[in-house]
Amino acid sequence: GAVVSQHPSRVICKSGTSVKIECRSLDFQATTMFWYRQFPKQSLMLMATSNEGSKATYEQGVEKDKFLINHASLTLSTLTVTSAHPEDSSFYICSARGLSLGEQFFGPGTRLTVL
Amino acid sequence: QKEVEQDPGPLSVPEGAIVSLNCTYSNSAFQYFMWYRQYSRKGPELLMYTYSSGNKEDGRFTAQVDKSSKYISLFIRDSQPSDSATYLCAMIWMDSSYKLIFGSGTRLLVRP
Repeated sequence: GAVVSQHPSRVICKSGTSVKIECRSLDFQATTMFWYRQFPKQSLMLMATSNEGSKATYEQGVEKDKFLINHASLTLSTLTVTSAHPEDSSFYICSARGLSLGEQFFGPGTRLTVL
Repeated sequence: QKEVEQDPGPLSVPEGAIVSLNCTYSNSAFQYFMWYRQYSRKGPELLMYTYSSGNKEDGRFTAQVDKSSKYISLFIRDSQPSDSATYLCAMIWMDSSYKLIFGSGTRLLVRP
């Protein structure tokens, strides 16, 4: 399958700081990328859908001013958690859609801990 | 009622057993059906995806879709301890967003 990378894999930050997470499709172009968060022993919760060159579409209940998403190229999307607080601590995972609607490949995830 | 129902398990089987994982769904608007495997603290890995009813086989894995019953299955033959993970079914809602809707995941433990 196709490869999606995320950076960093783990980040610890102080409350009030901003954190940027990068998601890259390494061997294919992804017009659509998705951002999820996952709490321990729970399934993935979709936060937003990101289309290259346009504004992200956020799911209900997700603050767009807090979770800034940029999809500037066909291989890169970024998620910035602004003014992070301890309740934002979670596992953030991105995915990228391949040529087929059925092919959605996930990155390895980023574990964010806000102190 | 959730759109996609999946037994959370855990499901514990001995090595070499045939594993059957299942999901049911309520809305016929789902068209693509996927199975992902997720190891602890890792991103999900796409195992199989199917579009229509029927079977699809890949190595030790067989995915089965029955659209008339709104029921999908993943079979794992000759299960190995390395198969121990959480298995997530997922489906695509065929509206303009084509979002993935996940089941809650089934935790599988294959005992040596």
